[in-house]
Amino acid sequence: RKEVEQDPGPFNVPEGATVAFNCTYSNSASQSFFWYRQDCRKEPKLLMSVYSSGNEDGRFTAQLNRASQYISLLIRDSKLSDSATYLCVVNVKCSNAGNNRKLIWGLGTSLAVNP
Amino acid sequence: GAVVSQHPSRVICKSGTSVKIECRSLDFQATTMFWYRQFPKQSLMLMATSNEGSKATYEQGVEKDKFLINHASLTLSTLTVTSAHPEDSSFYICSARSGDYHTSTDTQYFGPGTRLTVL
Repeated sequence: RKEVEQDPGPFNVPEGATVAFNCTYSNSASQSFFWYRQDCRKEPKLLMSVYSSGNEDGRFTAQLNRASQYISLLIRDSKLSDSATYLCVVNVKCSNAGNNRKLIWGLGTSLAVNP
Repeated sequence: GAVVSQHPSRVICKSGTSVKIECRSLDFQATTMFWYRQFPKQSLMLMATSNEGSKATYEQGVEKDKFLINHASLTLSTLTVTSAHPEDSSFYICSARSGDYHTSTDTQYFGPGTRLTVL
């Protein structure tokens, strides 16, 4: 089983639609969670961190369910500029000694918003 | 926000040559830098974690003698792909960690990536 799993899509939605992405992770000791956005042939950019209480940033809402090891991202009133790949990312402690941590990346979910 | 640069942004080389990629944190000190590789339609894969002044920690399956990492200062890490082959062609991305090393909420800032093509 992959450490971070996402539906790869692609999701094709019209402008103005609401779209939801889901993600599950396998490491129950995961410490922090993020959604990144990656445009074609570019580096990933942090979209938002995900907190247990849920958090919202404009049209974007992220939710975390630690018991189910499940993370979601909701995009409301989608825009053409939202077209990208959305990456679910989990911060885990490295298996070696010390306090090193590393990010584990999902494969990403591709979103295409159409006019 | 914090800025991380990478150089070069694109390189094309012949098989057997070595390629050096630089990663710099421009406006903050990064005690830890990470090197990732991303093949087309795949997720980012961590290659190694680089701590300033010490040897890099490589992920399983990554050859340390082929991918040489040097993190000589708090603002610079380099990745050298030695004797590159066509299968090494990929998008190489570095990131630098800002914030308290011991907290779980610190942020990684990514460089723009280096696209390597080995002929």
